[in-house]
Amino acid sequence: QVQLQESGPGLVKPSETLSLTCTVSGASLSSSYWYWIRQPAGKGLEWIGRIHTNGNTIYNPSLKSRVTMSVDTPKNQFSLKLNSMTAADTAVYYCARSASSAGSFYYYVDVWGEGTTVTVSS
Amino acid sequence: EIVLTQSPGTLSLSPGERATLSCRASQSVSSSCLAWYQQKPGQAPRLLIYGASSRATGIADRFSGSGSGTDFTLTISRLEPADFAVYYCQQYANAPFTFGGGTKVEIK
Repeated sequence: QVQLQESGPGLVKPSETLSLTCTVSGASLSSSYWYWIRQPAGKGLEWIGRIHTNGNTIYNPSLKSRVTMSVDTPKNQFSLKLNSMTAADTAVYYCARSASSAGSFYYYVDVWGEGTTVTVSS
Repeated sequence: EIVLTQSPGTLSLSPGERATLSCRASQSVSSSCLAWYQQKPGQAPRLLIYGASSRATGIADRFSGSGSGTDFTLTISRLEPADFAVYYCQQYANAPFTFGGGTKVEIK
């Protein structure tokens, strides 16, 4: 059974950089896309970006200038860095795995981590 | 960017009733790359439907998805107490892979 677990600081100061790690258990990190998604309290879901195990990334244009994702295959982990944090970045951050239907080039999110709450405050 | 509009914002129904949730896209979603998720308070979303109409593993058959192009529907045939939650659609055809704003299904 695949499980994902986010880890990182719960509190970040304005203008600082958020660093989160997602540890995957029960499955190999190889040959798939891995996602970061966030959700401000009481609001909807926002797709941050995805990374393939070969290092290819796609970021949400609204965050692209501030986001970096990376993969550490030996550790079965992938990471998110978001710089220049502001109060608007306060949210629950989820990491997620994707899957595709047989023969499809398109990937949907099928397994989510439990999420980690990040608050931006001085 | 594909904008997904979900309606209604809130659906007030009783257990046993049928729920029909709509997700409309601002442009056609290629290959019916549309997924539905259920989210309960304090929990991560859970995949219900992918490919517009394929049920995810372990999802009850009272959940069904339909549609193509720009109009998609999630139907819950007979609501059970555990089904009262917020439901989101997401398109995964074109980055950024946007979500709808959600529909809350509440107990009437």
